[in-house]
Amino acid sequence: DAGVIQSPRHEVTEMGQEVTLRCKPISGHNSLFWYRQTMMRGLELLIYFNNNVPIDDSGMPEDRFSAKMPNASFSTLKIQPSEPRDSAVYFCASSLAGIEKLFFGSGTQLSVL
Amino acid sequence: RKEVEQDPGPFNVPEGATVAFNCTYSNSASQSFFWYRQDCRKEPKLLMSVYSSGNEDGRFTAQLNRASQYISLLIRDSKLSDSATYLCVPFSGNTPLVFGKGTRLSVIA
Repeated sequence: DAGVIQSPRHEVTEMGQEVTLRCKPISGHNSLFWYRQTMMRGLELLIYFNNNVPIDDSGMPEDRFSAKMPNASFSTLKIQPSEPRDSAVYFCASSLAGIEKLFFGSGTQLSVL
Repeated sequence: RKEVEQDPGPFNVPEGATVAFNCTYSNSASQSFFWYRQDCRKEPKLLMSVYSSGNEDGRFTAQLNRASQYISLLIRDSKLSDSATYLCVPFSGNTPLVFGKGTRLSVIA
């Protein structure tokens, strides 16, 4: 049974470039979350969706960040333009019928030079 | 006061030792609690759920003190494989999970 699948695993890009992170939640899960993790700030919630609808995006740092969930099996997190301070591990997580028990993907390690 | 506070550690303990770390939370409406485990360069994974005063699963015991608003995790007979970061997560029922920064545990041979 496949878990949450994220791609790419690693992304190295230059400042100013557009970055798109992808996530496929566990089939049947109806909630999807994007988190960002850094040493300084820990694991921060950026945005979450319920039944493909964005519920809370108050954690999105600024307008350079956007997220979409066009269907139940796919979500993207886009950063445009990227900046060095965006360097972090970005996790996608999904859950079934609630927001308690999350299943995380392996994360995308983003480095913006 | 931060929503979730944990001692970052690291806690360095020998194999076989018992170790405990606390997590304090600010939202008194928190109904349930979770401990997640995160290995180095890996994703967090659910270790234990706590819905009442506590929970025990093998060598792991979680205890909740609602009056003082903290939850503890006790690990008995520590194994090398227990080395990880342990994240505390209170849940109030209407907002997504807010993770603490975690407590790093290193079990030494």
